[in-house]
Amino acid sequence: GEDVEQSLFLSVREGDSSVINCTYTDSSSTYLYWYKQEPGAGLQLLTYIFSNMDMKQDQRLTVLLNKKDKHLSLRIADTQTGDSAIYFCAESTNTGFQKLVFGTGTRLLVSP
Amino acid sequence: NAGVTQTPKFRVLKTGQSMTLLCAQDMNHEYMYWYRQDPGMGLRLIHYSVGEGTTAKGEVPDGYNVSRLKKQNFLLGLESAAPSQTSVYFCASTQPGRVGETQYFGPGTRLLVL
Repeated sequence: GEDVEQSLFLSVREGDSSVINCTYTDSSSTYLYWYKQEPGAGLQLLTYIFSNMDMKQDQRLTVLLNKKDKHLSLRIADTQTGDSAIYFCAESTNTGFQKLVFGTGTRLLVSP
Repeated sequence: NAGVTQTPKFRVLKTGQSMTLLCAQDMNHEYMYWYRQDPGMGLRLIHYSVGEGTTAKGEVPDGYNVSRLKKQNFLLGLESAAPSQTSVYFCASTQPGRVGETQYFGPGTRLLVL
């Protein structure tokens, strides 16, 4: 079955780069996503990558996909205190209703 | 354009009480979803709908019912609430066939069952 795993916690200093990692099991995933959840709020899409791509860059965000190892990472350059949040990776599987399978979330804490 | 809205934002129930959570979207999306979020477990799919008048079970449907009488609304019902249903509930919607196929989420409903 599908399973998506993430480390639970990451702490960095402001200005450093953050790298959040995710592993998944379903090799038929079509898209992989990164969502951000701020306290008391819903999930906000940050970026996504199609499964036939290796890398996608969007301003301070870089997504790397290693399809062979089923490993996805999100790098945030020049991390700011406003980046403190929970980050979820999710995979979209080939079903008729665009099912998303979410990881457990990584809490990123950025200290000044 | 409000996106996805949820009511109420917060509710406290006693065991055995019933309630309905309302989700509304103004993006004319076909697909809608209800998730629950529990600490350390990510989001789990409760029920979903691929169109007006249709619903289907997700990963954790027991104890919940849903209805999609209008395209823009998706209701989640708890007939007899249990403490195990204490959670944060998120509604989401999407339109099939678009690049990226992302789901748009509401702000969540926090439910406490005593």
